Amino acid sequence: NAGVTQTPKFRVLKTGQSMTLLCAQDMNHEYMYWYRQDPGMGLRLIHYSVGEGTTAKGEVPDGYNVSRLKKQNFLLGLESAAPSQTSVYFCASRTWGQWITEAFFGQGTRLTVV
Amino acid sequence: DQQVKQNSPSLSVQEGRISILNCDYTNSMFDYFLWYKKYPAEGPTFLISISSIKDKNEDGRFTVFLNKSAKHLSLHIVPSQPGDSAVYFCAASDRGDMRFGAGTRLTVKP
Repeated sequence: NAGVTQTPKFRVLKTGQSMTLLCAQDMNHEYMYWYRQDPGMGLRLIHYSVGEGTTAKGEVPDGYNVSRLKKQNFLLGLESAAPSQTSVYFCASRTWGQWITEAFFGQGTRLTVV
Repeated sequence: DQQVKQNSPSLSVQEGRISILNCDYTNSMFDYFLWYKKYPAEGPTFLISISSIKDKNEDGRFTVFLNKSAKHLSLHIVPSQPGDSAVYFCAASDRGDMRFGAGTRLTVKP
């Protein structure tokens, strides 16, 4: 059981380049999230999805786009990377039910924009 | 605007003593609260949670307290062990949105 898998684990981009980060979960979870972690800032929510075909903005959505075409995958895109987007990115997923449940996280993607 | 705040960046305690980590939130729509533990180069792992209909939840050495009127929650670890040394994040959620604080680095000294 893989849980939440993020691809790639590391990446170096030049300013202005684009890339897509892939998050895949095999737990049939409805909710998926993208966060970035920066020193002293904790985990900040970029975008999230409450189901296939839906997305919503978090607290720091600018410069990112997302898509949830399949329930198990949540893609995070950077159209024109900037040095300010250098960060560690975490994906998470959780199920939906009568009570909110805990989220499971991937291992992270370390992105450097030079 | 940061809706979840952890105002203590770090905390150091002696092994065997109690560790108390604090968290405040501003959004009254949050109705579920979680604590996560994180080691370097790993994703956060779930520790304990509490729903807004309770004021206390206990799991072994870990207890979370919720004060809704003050919009404040705390995590108590008793007794603290060196293996508890990590960064602890609190999170608050409504149906979909889930926000995290900046984290508190706990160091438990032998």
